[in-house]
Amino acid sequence: EAQVTQNPRYLITVTGKKLTVTCSQNMNHEYMSWYRQDPGLGLRQIYYSMNVEVTDKGDVPEGYKVSRKEKRNFPLILESPSPNQTSLYFCASSLKLSRQPQHFGDGTRLSIL
Amino acid sequence: KQEVTQIPAALSVPEGENLVLNCSFTDSAIYNLQWFRQDPGKGLTSLLLIQSSQREQTSGRLNASLDKSSGRSTLYIAASQPGDSATYLCAVGNNAGNMLTFGGGTRLMVKP
Repeated sequence: EAQVTQNPRYLITVTGKKLTVTCSQNMNHEYMSWYRQDPGLGLRQIYYSMNVEVTDKGDVPEGYKVSRKEKRNFPLILESPSPNQTSLYFCASSLKLSRQPQHFGDGTRLSIL
Repeated sequence: KQEVTQIPAALSVPEGENLVLNCSFTDSAIYNLQWFRQDPGKGLTSLLLIQSSQREQTSGRLNASLDKSSGRSTLYIAASQPGDSATYLCAVGNNAGNMLTFGGGTRLMVKP
């Protein structure tokens, strides 16, 4: 089944403790992206990757890192999480963003205390 | 900077009604526009993708139109059903084709 898989689905952690949210897709998509969704602010793009080893900042990249060492994986890294990063995070992929619709994961709800 | 607005923010209709959801954007230099559906606790599901050169796309009971020059798109849902209850989001692809800007969504409830 074609899918985007995020792990974990839920995480409660404390300020400053490094964490990684994994994202994997099995559709051989070139484009992958991370979003955060907050009440009143909607979905905002954090980082995106056009292909392996190519990543770029979205609208709200501060406090986040990503890597794209292989086509299928695009982890989101919070080196020193803070409470303002408490949010619902989505990973998405598409063959090419310009031509194909995006497929989304089910989301990861992060709470930073 | 691109801004995307969706009106209304919430809508409640009886089953069987035809309805229109609106999406407007400030910068007409777009690559494409997508409509998504989001169910509670779930990710987004792509409904329709319209390239900037197209005027509309149809899938089943859904029809999306795009007027790039006026910065508007509409999603038409025919003969609404309770299963259509969800939040509908539009997203505009930038001219470079590498980023999406989302609207705030319209929360739709279709009553039996």
